[in-house]
Amino acid sequence: ETGVTQTPRHLVMGMTNKKSLKCEQHLGHNAMYWYKQSAKKPLELMFVYNFKEQTENNSVPSRFSPECPNSSHLFLHLHTLQPEDSALYLCASSQDSGTAYQPQHFGDGTRLSIL
Amino acid sequence: AQKITQTQPGMFVQEKEAVTLDCTYDTSDQSYGLFWYKQPSSGEMIFLIYQGSYDEQNATEGRYSLNFQKARKSANLVISASQLGDSAMYFCAMSSASGGSYIPTFGRGTSLIVHP
Repeated sequence: ETGVTQTPRHLVMGMTNKKSLKCEQHLGHNAMYWYKQSAKKPLELMFVYNFKEQTENNSVPSRFSPECPNSSHLFLHLHTLQPEDSALYLCASSQDSGTAYQPQHFGDGTRLSIL
Repeated sequence: AQKITQTQPGMFVQEKEAVTLDCTYDTSDQSYGLFWYKQPSSGEMIFLIYQGSYDEQNATEGRYSLNFQKARKSANLVISASQLGDSAMYFCAMSSASGGSYIPTFGRGTSLIVHP
């Protein structure tokens, strides 16, 4: 496999469920990102990990909990979500977050629907 | 604070014509990167082209070119010879320093529809 892979592609869950989104990159990158994309809103950065260390938490509610066990894997653990959390969740990676000149490579996203 | 503005919510272009998608940015940083991404209806975000703030020449990548006007703080994307497969959302983004990390900021996007 190449690139950035996200699973699952679609997820429907109730507000009391606990689920996890998974992201895996095969590009040898050291930085990984979670974004939320809601309809008619700009892409919202949620978390940034650089060399497995969290460097950004963009005021994300605690019902979203990220985990980065190594530079290739990133998880987003979900619990007690709200209907407004329904969105497309995109994972991205880049070589690292220490320079301005590196593009991000994105996965296909997980479309999350909260019932 | 960094800000990206894309003023065109939607654009239409005839197949084989060229189209320009506008992007202006605001930053006080001297070192930054500018990027364009394409997002088809399927959802994946595809990197197209980038321009560094110190690059003097406009970036080109196949049918894509970035018209970089630093003094005006604009970074417009030009797509030459449009194809039906170019129909998608296009996002302009800027990466500039935030406490030592270069955190990208995205614009709201422009929806491009290519007519046959």
